[in-house]
Amino acid sequence: GAVVSQHPSWVICKSGTSVKIECRSLDFQATTMFWYRQFPKQSLMLMATSNEGSKATYEQGVEKDKFLINHASLTLSTLTVTSAHPEDSSFYICSHPSGGAGEQFFGPGTRLTVL
Amino acid sequence: AQSVTQPDIHITVSEGASLELRCNYSYGATPYLFWYVQSPGQGLQLLLKYFSGDTLVQGIKGFEAEFKRSQSSFNLRKPSVHWSDAAEYFCAVGAGFGNEKLTFGTGTRLTIIP
Repeated sequence: GAVVSQHPSWVICKSGTSVKIECRSLDFQATTMFWYRQFPKQSLMLMATSNEGSKATYEQGVEKDKFLINHASLTLSTLTVTSAHPEDSSFYICSHPSGGAGEQFFGPGTRLTVL
Repeated sequence: AQSVTQPDIHITVSEGASLELRCNYSYGATPYLFWYVQSPGQGLQLLLKYFSGDTLVQGIKGFEAEFKRSQSSFNLRKPSVHWSDAAEYFCAVGAGFGNEKLTFGTGTRLTIIP
């Protein structure tokens, strides 16, 4: 399967600061990437769909001004958590579709802790 | 709207015993169904998927799942678990080709005891 990397794998930041998370597709040109958030012992919740060269599509209830998504190339999508607060602490996971088979390939995730 | 229910939050099984993880879905059309496994520090890995055809699908690591439309279920099974199978398992439903959004269940944590 395709390889997806995320950087950093974990980050700790102070409340009020912004954090950028990178998602790279290492062997696939992904016009679409997905960003999920996973709280402890809970499921993955889709936050937004990142579209290369255009605006991201956010799921209901997700603040687009707080979670900035940029998909500037076919191999890189970034999620910036702006003015982070402790309630934003979570596990953020990206993925991209497999190119027609209906499945997705997932990155290893980024654990964000906001103090 | 599509949804997935995994009734078992946590299951403990002895090594070598059989395993069945339950998954029920709600979807208005023919579902595309998936089972993923998540190990600590690793990304979700696809175990198997069902799109159409034979309702019993084989996956990696000795797992299989059976699609039962009448019961809206897609339960995951393994005849004999290994200690390395301890992980979190997620069932997911999608709309399929051209719309790869997935809806995940809440997951089942599998613990293996010697």
